[in-house]
Amino acid sequence: NAGVTQTPKFQVLKTGQSMTLQCAQDMNHEYMSWYRQDPGMGLRLIHYSVGAGITDQGEVPNGYNVSRSTTEDFPLRLLSAAPSQTSVYFCASSYVVLDGVPGELFFGEGSRLTVL
Amino acid sequence: QKEVEQDPGPLSVPEGAIVSLNCTYSNSAFQYFMWYRQYSRKGPELLMYTYSSGNKEDGRFTAQVDKSSKYISLFIRDSQPSDSATYLCAMSWDTGTASKLTFGTGTRLQVTL
Repeated sequence: NAGVTQTPKFQVLKTGQSMTLQCAQDMNHEYMSWYRQDPGMGLRLIHYSVGAGITDQGEVPNGYNVSRSTTEDFPLRLLSAAPSQTSVYFCASSYVVLDGVPGELFFGEGSRLTVL
Repeated sequence: QKEVEQDPGPLSVPEGAIVSLNCTYSNSAFQYFMWYRQYSRKGPELLMYTYSSGNKEDGRFTAQVDKSSKYISLFIRDSQPSDSATYLCAMSWDTGTASKLTFGTGTRLQVTL
């Protein structure tokens, strides 16, 4: 099993450009999420999904869109890139939660984005 | 004030030392507490997961939770150079179906020979 796969690993954008960060998992996890990691800020939740066709906002959703058409894929779209979106982005997935107990998050290796 | 506070370090210790990593939190609704380890340029991976106050041991690692003080700790015994990484505390509450976690900023640990 590959686990959680993110592409691309590195990307440089100019202000105003758009792009999509891809995330795929092969563990049949219902829950998927996107975090960004910045120095001194830790990991912050951008968007998450509890199953195909269902998405919701996290702590820092502005400037990002997501969709979940299949269980396996959860792409993150940057609509009009800004320097403030320079960060390392992590996709994570988890198995179905029972009785409200959060499951272990399995993370990808990250996508490093620089916006000039 | 952040919901979860964690000393960013860096923390440098000699091989064989006992390491203590700590987080404090302000939200009394947090019920589930985790420690993730993140090696340089990698994604975090789960190290320890505790549901209640008290201690949980796994090999050289011990996780401690004190809900009355809103304080959690991770102890590493006989630290090794391979323990050099960033350690992130994370916590959550009864979230229904979503595994939404709130993370600390991480403490960078360096174990020297």
